[in-house]
Amino acid sequence: DAGITQSPRHKVTETGTPVTLRCHQTENHRYMYWYRQDPGHGLRLIHYSYGVKDTDKGEVSDGYSVSRSKTEDFLLTLESATSSQTSVYFCAISGRQSGDTQYFGPGTRLTVL
Amino acid sequence: KQEVTQIPAALSVPEGENLVLNCSFTDSAIYNLQWFRQDPGKGLTSLLLIQSSQREQTSGRLNASLDKSSGRSTLYIAASQPGDSATYLCAVLMTTDSWGKLQFGAGTQVVVTP
Repeated sequence: DAGITQSPRHKVTETGTPVTLRCHQTENHRYMYWYRQDPGHGLRLIHYSYGVKDTDKGEVSDGYSVSRSKTEDFLLTLESATSSQTSVYFCAISGRQSGDTQYFGPGTRLTVL
Repeated sequence: KQEVTQIPAALSVPEGENLVLNCSFTDSAIYNLQWFRQDPGKGLTSLLLIQSSQREQTSGRLNASLDKSSGRSTLYIAASQPGDSATYLCAVLMTTDSWGKLQFGAGTQVVVTP
């Protein structure tokens, strides 16, 4: 299995609080991605990174920000969590080329009350 | 806008039967197509990646075919086992995309009964 960890694995928070999710990889892969998975919507891309300090928006980026200060870490921040952001969040990585296979982390289940 | 569809949404087969899972896409300008497996409460595991220039890709009991012109891919799992029970997702990468942004189907939930 690719070396990808996500923390925390579970989190319950209240509306309006900031939340940061962490993705850590040990594969030295260039590309990193944040997805959310919801019933009826499948997997949707939130943000992605193509290098240190290089990030861009995905399909559902409103309300989220990201940062990547090191190759191995990709942080997803919800500045002010809302109930609509209750979801399972997955981090993924891929290698030297963007068309390489993507490897997924175990996911973080976030509940916003 | 690319639309990726997987039908049926759920499938139940007896052990030993071959599984046939379908994935269709509306825009044929794809770079590659990937098949993933997801177990309940887990992340996705990559099964096969098939490049747009390929017609099929095989790994053990798994075989994926790709017909770009008709916008279809099929994942075959031979001699199914209860351990094959999972949700199977397909995802496409467009040729216009430089950053690996996959577009996913909703998945087919498979149950293999002993």
